[in-house]
Amino acid sequence: DGGITQSPKYLFRKEGQNVTLSCEQNLNHDAMYWYRQDPGQGLRLIYYSQIVNDFQKGDIAEGYSVSREKKESFPLTVTSAQKNPTAFYLCASSIIGGQPQHFGDGTRLSIL
Amino acid sequence: KNEVEQSPQNLTAQEGEFITINCSYSVGISALHWLQQHPGGGIVSLFMLSSGKKKHGRLIATINIQEKHSSLHITASHPRDSAVYICAPHSGGGADGLTFGKGTHLIIQP
Repeated sequence: DGGITQSPKYLFRKEGQNVTLSCEQNLNHDAMYWYRQDPGQGLRLIYYSQIVNDFQKGDIAEGYSVSREKKESFPLTVTSAQKNPTAFYLCASSIIGGQPQHFGDGTRLSIL
Repeated sequence: KNEVEQSPQNLTAQEGEFITINCSYSVGISALHWLQQHPGGGIVSLFMLSSGKKKHGRLIATINIQEKHSSLHITASHPRDSAVYICAPHSGGGADGLTFGKGTHLIIQP
C-alpha cells in the first residue's frame, strides 16, 4: 500500500544538538510538506517542496532546515537554533503543490 | 491570514447520536478541508470541498461560501469515530494559503 512513513515515532534530543526527522513517501507525489503541531494549536507550516531540489519556507521556518534530493524523501532537521523544539511533527504530500492530501503518523520530539 | 474558529472545542456524545461540528473562517477561500486526527496522531483527509455538500459513508460535509461557514456531520455515531476533527480552509496560492483550525475533540461513548 502507498503511504507516508515517518520515523522515528518518538525522538529525544539533548539541548544544543541537531536532530533529523525522516519522511518517506511511495505515492509518487511531487509535493511534500512539514507541519508542526503544539497542544491546543492548529498545524503550522514549516517548509514545503513542490519538486525535487526546490523548497520554500513556511510560516515558522526559523531553526529548521530541509533537503529534497529525491522525490520520495523530505527530511527535516531541527537545529540547535530552534529554541522550543518540543512538538509533534507531521509530514504530508500531494500530487501537485498547494494542498496536502496524505499525512504521515507523525514524530513526537522531546528535549531531555 | 485566515482566522479559523471551530465549535465546539470538545464534544462527548452517546453512540448513535447525530454529530455536528462547525467551522467559520474570515477570508474568502478556494476550498476547505476536513481532516481526522487519530489518538496516535496520524491524520486522514476526509473531504475537500469548494461548494455545496459531499457525503462519504456516515460523514457529510457542507459549505456555505457566502457565509464563510462549513459543517461536518456524523450520522449514527460510533466509538470508532472518536478523534480530533480539523477544519482547514485554503485561501488560494501555495501551501501557505492553508490555515488549520485548532480542532474539535470528539468522544463517542458506547
